[in-house]
Amino acid sequence: AQRVTQPEKLLSVFKGAPVELKCNYSYSGSPELFWYVQYSRQRLQLLLRHISRESIKGFTADLNKGETSFHLKKPFAQEEDSAMYYCALSRGSTLGRLYFGRGTQLTVWP
Amino acid sequence: DAGVIQSPRHEVTEMGQEVTLRCKPISGHDYLFWYRQTMMRGLELLIYFNNNVPIDDSGMPEDRFSAKMPNASFSTLKIQPSEPRDSAVYFCASRLTDTQYFGPGTRLTVL
Repeated sequence: AQRVTQPEKLLSVFKGAPVELKCNYSYSGSPELFWYVQYSRQRLQLLLRHISRESIKGFTADLNKGETSFHLKKPFAQEEDSAMYYCALSRGSTLGRLYFGRGTQLTVWP
Repeated sequence: DAGVIQSPRHEVTEMGQEVTLRCKPISGHDYLFWYRQTMMRGLELLIYFNNNVPIDDSGMPEDRFSAKMPNASFSTLKIQPSEPRDSAVYFCASRLTDTQYFGPGTRLTVL
């Protein structure tokens, strides 16, 4: 079975500090991993996907198959990064559905 | 493009009443998902459709919940009878490739 774990429900950092939101997964196949973000009063939206290996709004995430992790990182947090972040997994070719973690609420203090 | 549209945005009802939530996916998208979001349980998938056909409804909590997709541009999630523990934000999402696009959600409060 597949499972996505985000161990931190809440995370607070000061502006300019590095931030890392943790995501671990369990799946025996080749997963595709995503980060979704929900800003206050806005709808949930895709932040980045591991396949693209891109940096969005200064965030990056690397898929570590050995540690089964897909942590989201940003070297210098900004106040506008405050939001709820969800890690999600897709079972590769059978894209059908996403499996979401419980989310991490990030607060960046001024 | 208005994106995924949900109505109503807010719904307050009394226990025992029927509640119907509506969703219009993005035109051309062939997958539609219904989620429930609560503080305790996070984001839960309730059911999803592919080409209007329900594929997996294992997340539907009880027989009180039902969902339909009569055509490619409309879906409903119905709760009958509603209970206070159903209070949550209900999201609809649609997908064509690997990116899900979410609606703004319906905040349901059952008194």
